[in-house]
Amino acid sequence: QLQESGPGLVKPSQTLSLNCTVSGGSIGSSGAHWNWIRQPAGKGLEWIGLIYASGSTNYNSSLKSRVTISVDTSKNQFSLKLTSVTAADTAVYYCARSQDVWGPGTTVIVSS
Amino acid sequence: QSVLTQPPSASGTPGQRVTISCSGSDSNIGSNYVYWYQQLPGTAPKLLIYRNDGRPSGVPDRFSGSKSGTSASLAISGLRSEDEADYYCATWDDSLSVQWVFGGGTKLTVL
Repeated sequence: QLQESGPGLVKPSQTLSLNCTVSGGSIGSSGAHWNWIRQPAGKGLEWIGLIYASGSTNYNSSLKSRVTISVDTSKNQFSLKLTSVTAADTAVYYCARSQDVWGPGTTVIVSS
Repeated sequence: QSVLTQPPSASGTPGQRVTISCSGSDSNIGSNYVYWYQQLPGTAPKLLIYRNDGRPSGVPDRFSGSKSGTSASLAISGLRSEDEADYYCATWDDSLSVQWVFGGGTKLTVL
């Protein structure tokens, strides 16, 4: 299972930070990769990026300059940081294991 | 503008067979597996089809996937009211760096 956590409200120009806690298995031993995906209200899904337990990352080219995904195998967690946020970053943020298991999502609103 | 193209809407009556298309290019569908997700209102997407035509445990065999060239399809037979949801196709795209890309989604209405 996966569970997102983090602030639900972020001010414009600040950094959005979210964690995804993995339970029921080790983030480092499964051979999976770990994704962040977002969905603005009423719109489609947008992949943000992924990380392997080794720390290797791939990012969406449209967000790459603002995104950092990291992993903490000791906590069985991986994290998302998105800098210089604007209202356009308001969305439900999901974490997912490879292509199969998704967390329930967490809503992040960017507003002053 | 999504990399993968899906019809924005589809509909059918209970018991009917409905298909949803997903069109891409050589760099994505043409060279990678396709995945399909079902998203019920207010919930996270759920994996429906993996690697073009595989069905995860628990997914009814009313759902089937196929791929040909740079296009893929999701078919739902014996349509039921609980199938009313948004459906997304997804795959990898190798054009620049390897990225996971989604279709724009298809809202399925059961009439």
